[in-house]
Amino acid sequence: SQQGEEDPQALSIQEGENATMNCSYKTSINNLQWYRQNSGRGLVHLILIRSNEREKHSGRLRVTLDTSKKSSSLLITASRAADTASYFCATDSMDSSYKLIFGSGTRLLVRP
Amino acid sequence: DAGVTQSPTHLIKTRGQQVTLRCSPKSGHDTVSWYQQALGQGPQFIFQYYEEEERQRGNFPDRFSGHQFPNYSSELNVNALLLGDSALYLCASKVGAPSETQYFGPGTRLLVL
Repeated sequence: SQQGEEDPQALSIQEGENATMNCSYKTSINNLQWYRQNSGRGLVHLILIRSNEREKHSGRLRVTLDTSKKSSSLLITASRAADTASYFCATDSMDSSYKLIFGSGTRLLVRP
Repeated sequence: DAGVTQSPTHLIKTRGQQVTLRCSPKSGHDTVSWYQQALGQGPQFIFQYYEEEERQRGNFPDRFSGHQFPNYSSELNVNALLLGDSALYLCASKVGAPSETQYFGPGTRLLVL
C-alpha cells in the first residue's frame, strides 16, 4: 500500500513559472524525501527533510513539512523545461525505517 | 565516484521463466534495497539487504528472492515469471544507519510476454 499521495497527479506550466506539488502521508515518520524521475528511469534524490524540520531549501527547491497535518509540499521556482519529470515523495515510518514508501507521483510538464 | 549501477538495462522473458537482476551499490554504501515500479505508479519496496542478510521484506511473494555478496553487491531473482511482473526494477543503496538518503540506480526494465 502506498503511504504518500501526491497532488496534483499532473501539472502543466509555462517556463519561468513556479510549480507546487503536495504530498500527504498516513503514519508518523522519521523523514520525508522528494525524488525526481525522468522518462521512467532511475530516481534522483532532491531533498530530505526530517520530522523535526519545517522548511528546507536547496537551490530552486523549497520543501515544507507539516507533521500535524501529515503533509509536505515541494516548490520549484523559476521552472525550466529541464524540470519536466515525475516527482515523488517518499516516507519511512517510525516503526519501520528501513523501507521507503512512495506515492504515485506528480507528472510535471514545463512548456518552453 | 560511481553511483549505483544495475544490469541489464532491459530484459524480455516469457511466462514461467526465471530472471536475475544485478546491482552494485554506490561506493561506501553497505545496504541495498530493491523496488518494483509498475507503469504509472510509484516504486514498491521488495526487500532490503544488509550484511548479507534480508533485513526487511515488503508484500511480495516468495517467487522474489535476493542475495547480497560480501562486496555489498546484490541480486534480485524472480522465479515463475507472470505477466504482472513486467515493471521497472530499481535498486537503491545507502549506508547502514536508518533515516539516511537512498540513492537509486537507473533500473532494469523487465518485460514478460
